Amino acid sequence: KAGVTQTPRYLIKTRGQQVTLSCSPISGHRSVSWYQQTPGQGLQFLFEYFSETQRNKGNFPGRFSGRQFSNSRSEMNVSTLELGDSALYLCASSYSTGGGNTIYFGEGSWLTVV
Amino acid sequence: GQQLNQSPQSMFIQEGEDVSMNCTSSSIFNTWLWYKQDPGEGPVLLIALYKAGELTSNGRLTAQFGITRKDSFLNISASIPSDVGIYFCAGLQGGSEKLVFGKGTKLTVNP
Repeated sequence: KAGVTQTPRYLIKTRGQQVTLSCSPISGHRSVSWYQQTPGQGLQFLFEYFSETQRNKGNFPGRFSGRQFSNSRSEMNVSTLELGDSALYLCASSYSTGGGNTIYFGEGSWLTVV
Repeated sequence: GQQLNQSPQSMFIQEGEDVSMNCTSSSIFNTWLWYKQDPGEGPVLLIALYKAGELTSNGRLTAQFGITRKDSFLNISASIPSDVGIYFCAGLQGGSEKLVFGKGTKLTVNP
């Protein structure tokens, strides 16, 4: 079974531009969430989608947005990029069993803002 | 944002030694997950814990869900060089898919 797939793996953008990152969850997983990882703040939750609906949102400005499609694939968008947005963006997909949730991460998209 | 208290921050050990790290929180969690992250890669799930008191093993790794539901520990026995990396604990609270992470334990294994 393929894991969580994220594209692109690396990208460089200029301040003020916008960026879209893509995530394909593990087959059968309907929940997709996004995290930002930086050396200073660690892993921070951005948002979570289930069946095309945003269920949870972290404490990030409105420049960060996302969506989920009917096939569970998800995208996140960051508009008006700032230098501080440089980070590893991680997508995770999860499934729920009677016992609890199990969450798997993709390899991430490295964003550098210059 | 909310974070778990993970310790130690880093460890330098000799190959063959056992390792122990833990996470604590002032809040209750319903699920504890342990991940390992190699440089430039995403976190890889090692062990998932769902019930207070649960003790689960995965090869040389053993993790426990604390009775109070506010802590968890991870043990690695007989460490090998490929154990090098950063280990993260993460918790899920009731009805949420939002993971709260520790700051990680950086493990270095000297051959």
